[in-house]
Amino acid sequence: GAVVSQHPSRVICKSGTSVKIECRSLDFQATTMFWYRQFPKQSLMLMATSNEGSKATYEQGVEKDKFLINHASLTLSTLTVTSAHPEDSSFYICSANPGTGGAQDYGYTFGSGTRLTVV
Amino acid sequence: AQSVSQHNHHVILSEAASLELGCNYSYGGTVNLFWYVQYPGQHLQLLLKYFSGDPLVKGIKGFEAEFIKSKFSFNLRKPSVQWSDTAEYFCAVNARVRGKLIFGQGTELSVKP
Repeated sequence: GAVVSQHPSRVICKSGTSVKIECRSLDFQATTMFWYRQFPKQSLMLMATSNEGSKATYEQGVEKDKFLINHASLTLSTLTVTSAHPEDSSFYICSANPGTGGAQDYGYTFGSGTRLTVV
Repeated sequence: AQSVSQHNHHVILSEAASLELGCNYSYGGTVNLFWYVQYPGQHLQLLLKYFSGDPLVKGIKGFEAEFIKSKFSFNLRKPSVQWSDTAEYFCAVNARVRGKLIFGQGTELSVKP
């Protein structure tokens, strides 16, 4: 089945530094990927839609300059948390939909997530 | 804009009890609806989805959901829960094929053995 690989699974960084999270589609091409943020015991909040070869589309309230998204190829999207602060600590998840149409379409696959802790 | 509301934050049941988790969405057009489950420490797994046809959808692990268009609802049901069903359940909706997926707040289900 379609797999999305996300790295790293866990990262600890110091305040003020930047952290890059990678999301790769392993056996399909993804022109679009989605980045979510999940707080403990809470839902997944969509941060942005990553588009291959063009600018990402950010949801209202998400700082574009803090959460830099790059989708340079059909299999790789990256999220960089710049000048990280403790309040950026969270669980970040990427997702893609490898659907090709038909009754088996509309299936989203999710990465295993990245636990970011900013100290 | 789309939004999804799940009525129950935390549900506690005994094994063999029946389950119904509420989900309502807000969107005026055609939508695709999903239920996902997240077991502790694991990533999201698809339970079932609806995009057209029979409004009663059957998914994995004995779960089913009914789409009621007039009520903008997509409630999840299971006749008899097991301890292994303890997890977080999320309802989600998209308004376009392979478009962005919007999640509800989630419902934590605890099943007592």
